[in-house]
Amino acid sequence: EPEVTQTPSHQVTQMGQEVILRCVPISNHLYFYWYRQILGQKVEFLVSFYNNEISEKSEIFDDQFSVERPDGSNFTLKIRSTKLEDSAMYFCASSGISGANVLTFGAGSRLTVL
Amino acid sequence: KNEVEQSPQNLTAQEGEFITINCSYSVGISALHWLQQHPGGGIVSLFMLSSGKKKHGRLIATINIQEKHSSLHITASHPRDSAVYICAVTQGAQKLVFGQGTRLTINP
Repeated sequence: EPEVTQTPSHQVTQMGQEVILRCVPISNHLYFYWYRQILGQKVEFLVSFYNNEISEKSEIFDDQFSVERPDGSNFTLKIRSTKLEDSAMYFCASSGISGANVLTFGAGSRLTVL
Repeated sequence: KNEVEQSPQNLTAQEGEFITINCSYSVGISALHWLQQHPGGGIVSLFMLSSGKKKHGRLIATINIQEKHSSLHITASHPRDSAVYICAVTQGAQKLVFGQGTRLTINP
């Protein structure tokens, strides 16, 4: 069954460092998303991406965050200067037609900022 | 007030019991999703529905659009059903808004 692949599964970084989280969505999907879940809290929407541009973003997704689809298969989330409060599980997801379709989630990348 | 509210927050039951998890939402939606999150953290989509009822194996999901309410039922529950069940709604075209989740524990 097709799956969304995320790397790394766990990354530990120092505050202020740049982090790139990588995702390989399902190949024929058109919509891509990043969500995050701070430990013990609910999952929160960060950003959606379609047709090589951001289609929607949340208040969380400030200038420290960026997304890119550099080569037609990878979908990356970059955090420029990590803060302690960026520690969370980051989930990539993709869907076939629109967000009103079933999403397939990756297993998540756990980011720990020290 | 949260846009998506789930109840109960925690539920413990014995193997074989019929389980119901409820979800109420306060915003306009285009679809409602039920998701399962296992202790390792991975999220699996169980159902997406915009009206009526869907069934998959021992799982049944219903939605009442007028009342802005959905339920997830598990028949003949089993310890492997133990997980966090999350209700999420699609707002607009793409954004998913999540509930807090219901932690379900099924004891043998």
